[in-house]
Amino acid sequence: GQQVQQSPASLVLQEGENAELQCNFSTSLNSMQWFYQRPGGSLVSLFYNPSGTKHSGRLTSTTVIKERRSSLHISSSQTTDSGTYLCALEREGNTGKLIFGLGTTLQVQP
Amino acid sequence: EAAVTQSPRNKVAVTGGKVTLSCNQTNNHNNMYWYRQDTGHGLRLIHYSYGAGSTEKGDIPDGYKASRPSQENFSLILELATPSQTSVYFCASGPGLAYEQYFGPGTRLTVL
Repeated sequence: GQQVQQSPASLVLQEGENAELQCNFSTSLNSMQWFYQRPGGSLVSLFYNPSGTKHSGRLTSTTVIKERRSSLHISSSQTTDSGTYLCALEREGNTGKLIFGLGTTLQVQP
Repeated sequence: EAAVTQSPRNKVAVTGGKVTLSCNQTNNHNNMYWYRQDTGHGLRLIHYSYGAGSTEKGDIPDGYKASRPSQENFSLILELATPSQTSVYFCASGPGLAYEQYFGPGTRLTVL
């Protein structure tokens, strides 16, 4: 089965609303990374966060290893936040190989 | 900011033809990776490398070969392309274990 599960699969917000994206994993990990991808675009790294909480502007990432989950919080969403958010984990004991979730597609309406 | 470039950006190939996708990174990273992205499957690892001269099989290596002739360059080779290999291919690099990975812009490959 899917080792990395993301929820929700899609989300529609009005500009200014907050969003909470979830990533749950069924295996031990070395690291967790969050990416942003525009349709047809490349992956932009948002956070490298193996544990704890990290902040970057309106974004916050929290990884709780014991609970096997990571979340990405977007505050005061903007239309430019629209796109797909992917989480990826590097399995514990592995060698840099990432396992990706299927992503959350976010649409922020004006 | 890590710099990873890919060429070509778009490619149309015929079934049975040979296709080579190239990746270059200028960050002196040891590890490089090739992924493909398909709807419903997400990104999946095809081949990876720990350094010049090394290649390792990822999760879906069948039908693909890889070559790492130098620290900077990592190629993905489709000897006999098939329509099922139509996809978007991403190259990535990283310093090593448990470090952030940096992705290239992607190559859209269509096999007719």
